[in-house]
Amino acid sequence: EVQLVESGGDLVQPGGSLRLSCAASGFTFSSSWMYWVRQAPGKGLEWVAYIRHGGTEKYYVDSVKGRFTISRDDAKNSVYLEMNSLRAEDTAVYFCARGQDSAFYNWGQGTLVTVSS
Amino acid sequence: DIVMTQSPLSLPVTPGEPASISCRSSQSLLNSNGYNSLSWYLQKPGQSPQLLIYLGSNRASGVPDRFSGSGSGTDFTLKISSVEAEDVGVYYCMQGLQAPITFGQGTRLEIK
Repeated sequence: EVQLVESGGDLVQPGGSLRLSCAASGFTFSSSWMYWVRQAPGKGLEWVAYIRHGGTEKYYVDSVKGRFTISRDDAKNSVYLEMNSLRAEDTAVYFCARGQDSAFYNWGQGTLVTVSS
Repeated sequence: DIVMTQSPLSLPVTPGEPASISCRSSQSLLNSNGYNSLSWYLQKPGQSPQLLIYLGSNRASGVPDRFSGSGSGTDFTLKISSVEAEDVGVYYCMQGLQAPITFGQGTRLEIK
């Protein structure tokens, strides 16, 4: 059974930093593209970043470029999202997802990031 | 960026009746392999999204056959042949053809 478990969400002040983790199991992590998607309170889904298998290709939505960094550790079957210079508009539930066939096959339960003073 | 537009945004349905959601993209989602990089998701209340349909018309594992996806290019449709109470939630289409990956606004299905 595929499992994705996010952690690291917290209340942080504007300008602060946070590192989210996603632990994966039940599939061949090293050959999978991995994604972060967020959902602001009461809003729709917004893709944030992806990392290709091998970590050679990464891509970000414009609103987080230069502030967020996606990375992976295939030895630990984990993907990370390093978030710096956080803003109020980054407040959201952050999901990690496994990609295949141009779709998000599996999703985690999400972790809540709140940016507020 | 590819813009995804769903309609309707709200969909009240009587149990047992069919339902249909439209999704239009601002450019063709046909990829180099001849497939449409369009997927559908359902987010039930309080839950994470779940994949229903991928590559335009393929049902994901475990998805009931009352759900079907159709369309090509820029126009796509998700159909539920006979709505059940457990189908309530918000439905999203998503294009995975190119970054930035984009979602539709969501269609909230409710039971009458």
